[in-house]
Amino acid sequence: NAGVTQTPKFRILKIGQSMTLQCTQDMNHNYMYWYRQDPGMGLKLIYYSVGAGITDKGEVPNGYNVSRSTTEDFPLRLELAAPSQTSVYFCASSQTSGSPRNEQFFGPGTRLTVL
Amino acid sequence: KQEVTQIPAALSVPEGENLVLNCSFTDSAIYNLQWFRQDPGKGLTSLLLIQSSQREQTSGRLNASLDKSSGRSTLYIAASQPGDSATYLCAVKSSGTYKYIFGTGTRLKVLA
Repeated sequence: NAGVTQTPKFRILKIGQSMTLQCTQDMNHNYMYWYRQDPGMGLKLIYYSVGAGITDKGEVPNGYNVSRSTTEDFPLRLELAAPSQTSVYFCASSQTSGSPRNEQFFGPGTRLTVL
Repeated sequence: KQEVTQIPAALSVPEGENLVLNCSFTDSAIYNLQWFRQDPGKGLTSLLLIQSSQREQTSGRLNASLDKSSGRSTLYIAASQPGDSATYLCAVKSSGTYKYIFGTGTRLKVLA
């Protein structure tokens, strides 16, 4: 299994541009999450999904959108990028059954800079 | 609202020392608690997950304990090695929610 994969690894955007961060998992997990991590800070939840077609806001959803059309994919869309969105973005997934339940697995991250 | 705190923010120890990392949470109604390791510029690697019904979990030189009544978890690292140098994060999943709340982490440096 590849686990959780994210693309791209790095990206520089200009203010006002848009982009989509891709996330795919091959573990058949129902739950998927998007976090952002700012320097010296913990992770803040942006959006999460409990299954295909079901998404909900986390702590810091403003400026982002998500969709979940399949179990495997959970893309994060940035519209009208702003410098405040400069961060490292992590995608994660977790299982709802088996042991240990709800253990989160993380992708390698996307480092985004908005100039 | 659940809040998670990790103190200290940074810690340096000599190689071979046993050490304890702390994680405190404000709401004791948790579903589970997960400890992660993060190397610079990398993603998070899961170390241990403790369900709310458990008191501790062990993996190799790592032992994580959970005391819900006092809102605390500790990660014990035995016989520390330079390769243990990383940031350690804890995350709490409260009962009745799908969300995890993360602490800000403890940056550990083990000196050779």
